[in-house]
Amino acid sequence: GQNIDQPTEMTATEGAIVQINCTYQTSGFNGLFWYQQHAGEAPTFLSYNVLDGLEEKGRFSSFLSRSKGYSYLLLKELQMKDSASYLCAVNNDYKLSFGAGTTVTVRA
Amino acid sequence: IAGITQAPTSQILAAGRRMTLRCTQDMRHNAMYWYRQDLGLGLRLIHYSNTAGTTGKGEVPDGYSVSRANTDDFPLTLASAVPSQTSVYFCASSLAGGPSDEQFFGPGTRLTVL
Repeated sequence: GQNIDQPTEMTATEGAIVQINCTYQTSGFNGLFWYQQHAGEAPTFLSYNVLDGLEEKGRFSSFLSRSKGYSYLLLKELQMKDSASYLCAVNNDYKLSFGAGTTVTVRA
Repeated sequence: IAGITQAPTSQILAAGRRMTLRCTQDMRHNAMYWYRQDLGLGLRLIHYSNTAGTTGKGEVPDGYSVSRANTDDFPLTLASAVPSQTSVYFCASSLAGGPSDEQFFGPGTRLTVL
């Protein structure tokens, strides 16, 4: 089976930095995705990691350690529009298994 | 260009009724997927199709069926709806179903089974 864990909720202040952790135990691994989902909307792609290390894309960065079964999504210079759920998903056998998502609330 | 569309947007259905959720994409993507999203459980894969004419079972396929007669359309059918199928259903597509292919999601269908 697949086990993907991430915190349920996080709160941070506008302009701050937040790190969302994701740990996984899966029978296979073909890469890890992060998606953003605003309330009532569809998920949208943020990042993909398949090799160990940090991938930076503007204010968002994603890190992967395959040996530890661990990833994090780093959101810098938080803006109010970053209030959303962030979904960690592992590609196993060409299919995605999702964590339950982390709801991030940005306060003024 | 619409991307990926789903219909209906929402539906209230009596238990035991048959229901088909529609999904259409105009991106010429080969792979398509159906997920359900429930509070606290995240997105779970119901069925998928890597190319027209082929389908496969995901994590929670029981009570659902799909067909893929052409590249663009991937309908999901509930043969006899039950209250536990109350959920938000998302259709998604990706270029070729490869491990690094981003999945594009439709706007979702909110289904309530009473």
